[in-house]
Amino acid sequence: NAGVTQTPKFQVLKTGQSMTLQCAQDMNHNSMYWYRQDPGMGLRLIYYSASEGTTDKGEVPNGYNVSRLNKREFSLRLESAAPSQTSVYFCASGRDSIQYFGAGTRLSVL
Amino acid sequence: GENVEQHPSTLSVQEGDSAVIKCTYSDSASNYFPWYKQELGKRPQLIIDIRSNVGEKKDQRIAVTLNKTAKHFSLHITETQPEDSAVYFCAASFGAGSYQLTFGKGTKLSVIP
Repeated sequence: NAGVTQTPKFQVLKTGQSMTLQCAQDMNHNSMYWYRQDPGMGLRLIYYSASEGTTDKGEVPNGYNVSRLNKREFSLRLESAAPSQTSVYFCASGRDSIQYFGAGTRLSVL
Repeated sequence: GENVEQHPSTLSVQEGDSAVIKCTYSDSASNYFPWYKQELGKRPQLIIDIRSNVGEKKDQRIAVTLNKTAKHFSLHITETQPEDSAVYFCAASFGAGSYQLTFGKGTKLSVIP
């Protein structure tokens, strides 16, 4: 039982490049979430998916897109990376409000 | 939307002493309040939570209290140990169905041996 798995763990991009962060959960949860964590800012919600086939914007969605591929997988895409998107990205899945986090992806945009 | 304020931002205590972290929230409809512990370079992990129909919950050395009238909740850690050193985040949940969490900005707890 792996829980929430994120890939990659680390990534360095140049400004303007694109990439997709992958997230998969094996806990049969309906809800999945993407957060970014910046120093002193806590965790801020980028996008979430309350159930398979639905996605909604969170607090900081600009510059990101998401896809809920199926119940297990929820990906986050940066179409044209900017230095302001340098951050640690966490995926989470949950049921009944309780959320479980993946190990995170540390992204640097140069 | 919901706004969660967390204090203090840093806290140092001697090993064996107690630590208290406080959070306030703005949306009276919020009904779920978890606390997460994040060690350096690791993922946030749920350590305790409370729902709005309960005033206090304990789990060994940690406890959470909730005051719905004042819209604040607190984390209490007794008999602190060096392994309690970490960043602690409070959160509040609003919006039935999607169960979005709004997080506080975190408290860095240092337990001095």
